[in-house]
Amino acid sequence: AQTVTQSQPEMSVQEAETVTLSCTYDTSESDYYLFWYKQPPSRQMILVIRQEAYKQQNATENRFSVNFQKAAKSFSLKISDSQLGDAAMYFCAYRSAFTGNQFYFGTGTSLTVIP
Amino acid sequence: EAGVAQSPRYKIIEKRQSVAFWCNPISGHATLYWYQQILGQGPKLLIQFQNNGVVDDSQLPKDRFSAERLKGVDSTLKIQPAKLEDSAVYLCASSSFPSGQNSYEQYFGPGTRLTVT
Repeated sequence: AQTVTQSQPEMSVQEAETVTLSCTYDTSESDYYLFWYKQPPSRQMILVIRQEAYKQQNATENRFSVNFQKAAKSFSLKISDSQLGDAAMYFCAYRSAFTGNQFYFGTGTSLTVIP
Repeated sequence: EAGVAQSPRYKIIEKRQSVAFWCNPISGHATLYWYQQILGQGPKLLIQFQNNGVVDDSQLPKDRFSAERLKGVDSTLKIQPAKLEDSAVYLCASSSFPSGQNSYEQYFGPGTRLTVT
């Protein structure tokens, strides 16, 4: 089974600054999808950004962007101009393009935004 | 479109009691997932349905957990009997695999927070 590792249990960032959350994964597959999900306290998990492995260009969604390094199996999330509403748990997830549509999640990074 | 619905939102039971959770996925979504999320951890897949068939239930503790998805729409997850370690948030998610826009994305419900005392 694929594994997803988030090595930073907690991160903090000053409001308006930039922060990068790390994620690595282990797979032998050539085609897959990667996701970052945000889970605010006691609230619903929502998709932040996704990346298709066959695309070389890094995905960007407004203040959120990724650094996808396929050879290194690394998928970091950069949040620019951090806002108080960005405070949440962030989960990295992997989904195979071939088998069963199952998602594998990391253990999460808790992001605190300091006013 | 309406999102994934779950009920109840909160449930407190004593150990050895039984409990059931309900999930209604987004209309037209063929794939439905049940996850267990223990405090401070990432979601762990319990069972995955494709329409009304089970795709993966390898991590479902089948001696006490059961799930069904009648008619390929709504789903129910049951725990009987509950243990203290079952205290967690139970998340339901759905996906429009294999076709459709954003077919590789899953949409989550608000979850059911279960406390076993």
